[in-house]
Amino acid sequence: DTAVSQTPKYLVTQMGNDKSIKCEQNLGHDTMYWYKQDSKKFLKIMFSYNNKELIINETVPNRFSPKSPDKAHLNLHINSLELGDSAVYFCASSRNRANQPQHFGDGTRLSIL
Amino acid sequence: DAKTTQPNSMESNEEEPVHLPCNHSTISGTDYIHWYRQLPSQGPEYVIHGLTSNVNNRMASLAIAEDRKSSTLILHRATLRDAAVYYCIRTPYSGAGSYQLTFGKGTKLSVIP
Repeated sequence: DTAVSQTPKYLVTQMGNDKSIKCEQNLGHDTMYWYKQDSKKFLKIMFSYNNKELIINETVPNRFSPKSPDKAHLNLHINSLELGDSAVYFCASSRNRANQPQHFGDGTRLSIL
Repeated sequence: DAKTTQPNSMESNEEEPVHLPCNHSTISGTDYIHWYRQLPSQGPEYVIHGLTSNVNNRMASLAIAEDRKSSTLILHRATLRDAAVYYCIRTPYSGAGSYQLTFGKGTKLSVIP
């Protein structure tokens, strides 16, 4: 069973469109994250949710909006997609204890035409 | 700013031990050292973490210098599957709740058959 699963795996779309990426974890974790890996392979935190509450919100355009319907899900909605949004987006989760390991999904590769 | 320094790349022969160094000379007393790796086309994978003492798990060993300004990830017998980018990350003590991983460039490990 996949611990952290993201859908879709690939997403190709036009500039200006709105799209969502879904993330689900079956590990029973309370904390979930979104990271972005750009073309230079740098991984950066975008958001973190703890028990459905937003904890970390790095400098990310407000076109990006995370939504956590329950503790097992953290979806990422992106409005008005731009060319610079092309990247691989990773979802992760961890236990709600100090410095617990984060478990990552396999990523969603977003390509903007 | 990842605040750690790692070699860009290293090579190892299959079935030989690998020592991956990391410098974190400005580490504070409560910062943890985490190691993650990323195989091609996959999300980051937790390897090991520690605070002061050396740590062992089924994947690797972590040797932390007495002054904590450096650490070494040890893979006891490299396999082809260990070829990946290895990230050494320092994280401040988070308490209960979320914390962000700040990834640097990492060390790209190549394993030669």
